[in-house]
Amino acid sequence: QVQLVQSGGGLVKPGGSLRLSCAASGFIFSDYYMSWVRQAPGKGLEWLSFISTSSAHTNYADAVKGRFTISRDDADNSLYLQMDSLRPEDTAVYYCARGGGSWFDFDFWGQGTLVTVSS
Amino acid sequence: DIQMTQSPSSLSASVGDRVTITCRASQSFFTNLNWYQQKPGKAPKLLIDTVYSLKSGVPSRFSGGMSGTDFTLTINNLQPEDFGVYYCQQSYMTPPTFGQGTKLEIK
Repeated sequence: QVQLVQSGGGLVKPGGSLRLSCAASGFIFSDYYMSWVRQAPGKGLEWLSFISTSSAHTNYADAVKGRFTISRDDADNSLYLQMDSLRPEDTAVYYCARGGGSWFDFDFWGQGTLVTVSS
Repeated sequence: DIQMTQSPSSLSASVGDRVTITCRASQSFFTNLNWYQQKPGKAPKLLIDTVYSLKSGVPSRFSGGMSGTDFTLTINNLQPEDFGVYYCQQSYMTPPTFGQGTKLEIK
């Protein structure tokens, strides 16, 4: 069965960095677009970034452009989000999600990982 | 960016009721509209994609509809397990955007 297992969250100071990972199994990872979506405490869902197959294309929400970098390792069936210059407003649960029928039909999600940016 | 506006923001209904959640888009697009259900502490779950298409395993009491830029999620014969927050999302263009959510409480 399809599984996306996340790791790498935690507490970080403003201006710090963190790398999130998402390990995929149960499907041909290299065939799918992947995205990161976050949810601030008590708030709604916010798409952050996607990466296409073969890492040919990436795109970012304005809120994280220039600070976050998405990448993938198809040999290792893994998705990553490198987060730099973190701000308190980046505090959220971060989800990886698979793009199903279209790039942005998020048909499977990771379990989520909490990132807290605080001094 | 396409703005998605959901209504109501919350509702309370009884088992057996029929409930409808509406999502209005700020501009017209085709049928690239999805609905998700999220339960506390859990990841969202895709219920319906492309307006009408029920995902595998989702009960048939869930259905989607559209009229112009207005999209609807209808739940017939509401069940206790249907509580949670429901989000619409457009997948037509980058950035994909979500509605603000509708919290459904079972009386």
